[in-house]
Amino acid sequence: EAQVTQNPRYLITVTGKKLTVTCSQNMNHEYMSWYRQDPGLGLRQIYYSMNVEVTDKGDVPEGYKVSRKEKRNFPLILESPSPNQTSLYFCASSLVRDSYEQYFGPGTRLTVT
Amino acid sequence: GENVEQHPSTLSVQEGDSAVIKCTYSDSASNYFPWYKQELGKRPQLIIDIRSNVGEKKDQRIAVTLNKTAKHFSLHITETQPEDSAVYFCAASGGDTPLVFGKGTRLSVIA
Repeated sequence: EAQVTQNPRYLITVTGKKLTVTCSQNMNHEYMSWYRQDPGLGLRQIYYSMNVEVTDKGDVPEGYKVSRKEKRNFPLILESPSPNQTSLYFCASSLVRDSYEQYFGPGTRLTVT
Repeated sequence: GENVEQHPSTLSVQEGDSAVIKCTYSDSASNYFPWYKQELGKRPQLIIDIRSNVGEKKDQRIAVTLNKTAKHFSLHITETQPEDSAVYFCAASGGDTPLVFGKGTRLSVIA
């Protein structure tokens, strides 16, 4: 089954404790991205990757890191989480660039206390 | 960069009526305009998209129109049903601009 998976689905953590949210797709998509969703603000792009070893900042990259060492995986890293990073996070992938259907993962609800 | 404005933020309609959601974009280089539906607690899913070489596209009860001159595009849902209740997001991308989403419209269909 073609899908995008994220782990964990829910996470409660404390300020400053490094965490990683994993994202994996099995559709051989070149393009992957991370979004955060906050009430009233819609979906805002954090980082995106056009292919292996190619990543770039989106609209809200501060406080986040990503890596793309393999085509299927695109982890999101919060080196020192803060309460303003409490949000719902979605990973997405598409065939080529973002001018094609984005397939979203199930989401990760993160709470930073 | 691209800026996408979406209106209204909330919309209530009676079952069977039509719903229209409008979006404007700022970057004239944008050429791809998708619409996503997000049901409560679920992930966004593509429902329809349009490219700049097309003015209108229909898929059963859903249609999207694009006016490149005015830089706006709209989603039309006819004969609304309770299962159409969701948050709808428009988006735009093209050229060197990554996909940018509008802030969303919460549609409620009242039975």
